[in-house]
Amino acid sequence: QVQLVESGGGVVQPGGSLRLSCATSGFTFSNYDMHWVRQAPGKGLEWVAFIRDDGVNKYSADSLKGRFTISRDNSKNTLYLQMNSLRAEDTAVYYCAKVFSIVEAGTVMWGFGPWGQGTLVTVSS
Amino acid sequence: EIVLTQSPGTLSLSPGERATLSCRASQSVSNSYLAWYQQKPGQAPRLLIYGASSTATGIPDRFSGSGSGTDFTLTIRRLEPEDFAVYYCQWYGSSPPWTFGQGTKVEIK
Repeated sequence: QVQLVESGGGVVQPGGSLRLSCATSGFTFSNYDMHWVRQAPGKGLEWVAFIRDDGVNKYSADSLKGRFTISRDNSKNTLYLQMNSLRAEDTAVYYCAKVFSIVEAGTVMWGFGPWGQGTLVTVSS
Repeated sequence: EIVLTQSPGTLSLSPGERATLSCRASQSVSNSYLAWYQQKPGQAPRLLIYGASSTATGIPDRFSGSGSGTDFTLTIRRLEPEDFAVYYCQWYGSSPPWTFGQGTKVEIK
């Protein structure tokens, strides 16, 4: 079955860097667009970044001001999130999510799913 | 940017009751781009509804979605104990950002 497993979280000082990984299995990774989503403690879901299946087109949330970079290695079935200049407000559980798409009655519909279990990033001195 | 506003923030209900959750978009959106998720404590979100009204695989038929334009609704016909959770709506359009509503918590009364 489809599995997504995040790793790389931990405690980092403000201004530091961290690289998250999302190892996938159970589907043809190179055929699917992927996302990162985060959730600060006790808060809602916040979209972070997106990457197309071929790795060429990428988008990230404006609020990140270019500090985070999404990438992928289709030969390793793995998604990455490079996080630089980390701030206390980046403290969150970070989830990777596969894009869900389906065609019904000639219409393409979308969503996120499935999701990984998440990895906790804590930015603190 | 599409802003999604969910209401109420918290819904206190008893098992067996009907839950009605609202999601309002800041501008008209295509039904194709509206999804709902369920998140239980300590777990990742799970896709419930896509295309505003289509139920994802494995989701019980007591869950249903409806709406169009700017107003969308998630209905849980008869609440089971495992349905008490937080629910998020999401706009999945053709360009970023792919925003979420702030969530509605369905709690046991």
